[in-house]
Amino acid sequence: TQLLEQSPQFLSIQEGENLTVYCNSSSVFSSLQWYRQEPGEGPVLLVTVVTGGEVKKLKRLTFQFGDARKDSSLHITAAQPGDTGLYLCASINYQLIWGAGTKLIIKP
Amino acid sequence: NAGVTQTPKFRVLKTGQSMTLLCAQDMNHEYMYWYRQDPGMGLRLIHYSVGEGTTAKGEVPDGYNVSRLKKQNFLLGLESAAPSQTSVYFCASSYEISGEWSYEQYFGPGTRLTVT
Repeated sequence: TQLLEQSPQFLSIQEGENLTVYCNSSSVFSSLQWYRQEPGEGPVLLVTVVTGGEVKKLKRLTFQFGDARKDSSLHITAAQPGDTGLYLCASINYQLIWGAGTKLIIKP
Repeated sequence: NAGVTQTPKFRVLKTGQSMTLLCAQDMNHEYMYWYRQDPGMGLRLIHYSVGEGTTAKGEVPDGYNVSRLKKQNFLLGLESAAPSQTSVYFCASSYEISGEWSYEQYFGPGTRLTVT
């Protein structure tokens, strides 16, 4: 069974700083998704990465899929309080396998 | 479009009581899912459905039952609630592209259940 490890579990930084969170697996991902979950809400899909080495950008968020497709990272530039939330990665097999998430707090 | 809606938003049950959580989607999606989310454990799949009248077990199905009598609704039942079922429950749906699963899941806002 594929397990996804996300790190760090918790991150609290000041507005304007940059940050990177990670999603790692012991086995190869077929594809990987990143979701953001705000308090009291369900997760919302941010991006799907499919090809090893792929980089996708969504405004200030940059998503990278490792060449070997066993890891992925999310980099946020100039973080804003609106980026606060739980960031989840999910591996696509016949269903989604979820990591436990990184809880991100951006302080004004 | 309302998307995916869940009722109720909050519920407190006593051990042994039963209840049904309702999920409704207005996007004509084929696939529907029930997850539970516990601190530090991410989302775990309870049951899912690939179409009206069909259901299947997920990762943690014990103590739960589901039904999908109509395409737009997916019900999750707890026949005899236990404190271990205290959790936040999320319903999700997804669509097909050319007969295949699209991977993208749309989530409801969740139901916070406490079993005392």
